[in-house]
Amino acid sequence: EPEVTQTPSHQVTQMGQEVILRCVPISNHLYFYWYRQILGQKVEFLVSFYNNEISEKSEIFDDQFSVERPDGSNFTLKIRSTKLEDSAMYFCASRAGEWNTEAFFGQGTRLTVV
Amino acid sequence: AQSVTQLDSQVPVFEEAPVELRCNYSSSVSVYLFWYVQYPNQGLQLLLKYLSGSTLVKGINGFEAEFNKSQTSFHLRKPSVHISDTAEYFCAVSFNAGNMLTFGGGTRLMVKP
Repeated sequence: EPEVTQTPSHQVTQMGQEVILRCVPISNHLYFYWYRQILGQKVEFLVSFYNNEISEKSEIFDDQFSVERPDGSNFTLKIRSTKLEDSAMYFCASRAGEWNTEAFFGQGTRLTVV
Repeated sequence: AQSVTQLDSQVPVFEEAPVELRCNYSSSVSVYLFWYVQYPNQGLQLLLKYLSGSTLVKGINGFEAEFNKSQTSFHLRKPSVHISDTAEYFCAVSFNAGNMLTFGGGTRLMVKP
């Protein structure tokens, strides 16, 4: 069964460092997403990506964040200068199409900023 | 404003008892509705979804949910729970067939022997 895979499963980084979270969406999917879940809180939308550009982003997704699909298979989330409050579980998701399709989520990357 | 509310943050229940996890949403546009489950230290797995048609939808692991448009609810039910159902359950809504999901705060289901 196809699945969304994320690496690494856990990343620890020092405050101020850049971090890149990696995702491999399901191969024939067209829409890609990043969500995050701060410990004990709800899952929050960060950004959606379609046709090689950001289609929607939340107010959380500020200039410190960026996304890229560098090679047609990977989908990455970069945080340029991490802050303590960036510590969270980051989920990647993909969808086959816009209508009547469900989002498939990866297992998540737990980011800990120290 | 569009929002999703899960009224119960925790639901303790004994094994083999029935359970209902509540989800309400606020919206003036059409909605697609989803329930996801998150087992400890794992990602989000789709339990079931409502897109159109019959308001009673059945999902995996014996769960079902009913879409009630007049009450703007999409409660999740299971007639008899197992220990293995212990997990966090998230209601999620796509507003107006939109691009993103809005999640409720989650309900932690704790099944006791």
